[in-house]
Amino acid sequence: GAGVSQSPSNKVTEKGKDVELRCDPISGHTALYWYRQSLGQGLEFLIYFQGNSAPDKSGLPSDRFSAERTGGSVSTLTIQRTQQEDSAVYLCASSLYRGYNEQFFGPGTRLTVL
Amino acid sequence: AQSVAQPEDQVNVAEGNPLTVKCTYSVSGNPYLFWYVQYPNRGLQFLLKYITGDNLVKGSYGFEAEFNKSQTSFHLKKPSALVSDSALYFCAVRDGRDDKIIFGKGTRLHILP
Repeated sequence: GAGVSQSPSNKVTEKGKDVELRCDPISGHTALYWYRQSLGQGLEFLIYFQGNSAPDKSGLPSDRFSAERTGGSVSTLTIQRTQQEDSAVYLCASSLYRGYNEQFFGPGTRLTVL
Repeated sequence: AQSVAQPEDQVNVAEGNPLTVKCTYSVSGNPYLFWYVQYPNRGLQFLLKYITGDNLVKGSYGFEAEFNKSQTSFHLKKPSALVSDSALYFCAVRDGRDDKIIFGKGTRLHILP
């Protein structure tokens, strides 16, 4: 079946603009994660959704970042008033139910803020 | 809060030699541990995991990892390295009392022909 998909694959924006990044998880996967990968920084946890439970937002770096997941499927990560330090690859992953199941990662969205 | 450390930014190994990529972790509850690999221009792929049971777990592409509770480590190993193993490797941990999965900074593995 189809894997995790993310769009757009690349996004170039100007400082101060808002951006929306989309993630389509694997069908049937109830857990969805967003990470940020910066050069030399590994994968930084941003937010985690599990079914209809309240998301774990503990990794969001500032209130400019928000995410939602509609109908337990597609997720959108929104970054408001983008800054140059937001430039990174944003990765989405999904997994079956709980955290002891392996995650399946999407190809990522490369965000460049000029 | 859980944390994971990969003390080596880069590891160089000659082809055919055994390789080890180190990972240590810190959790409050029981750890769930994972290794992922990222090949150039490709997404992260799952290699193996430890949830419970045998301390030595085997995964994809001939990799294995040993869970050591006393040393809070989960080192990735392979008996004989291939040039095609060259990639970026990530260790990840989940605290058994939480669903959040935290990744290390990654170790770049270079296999020299």
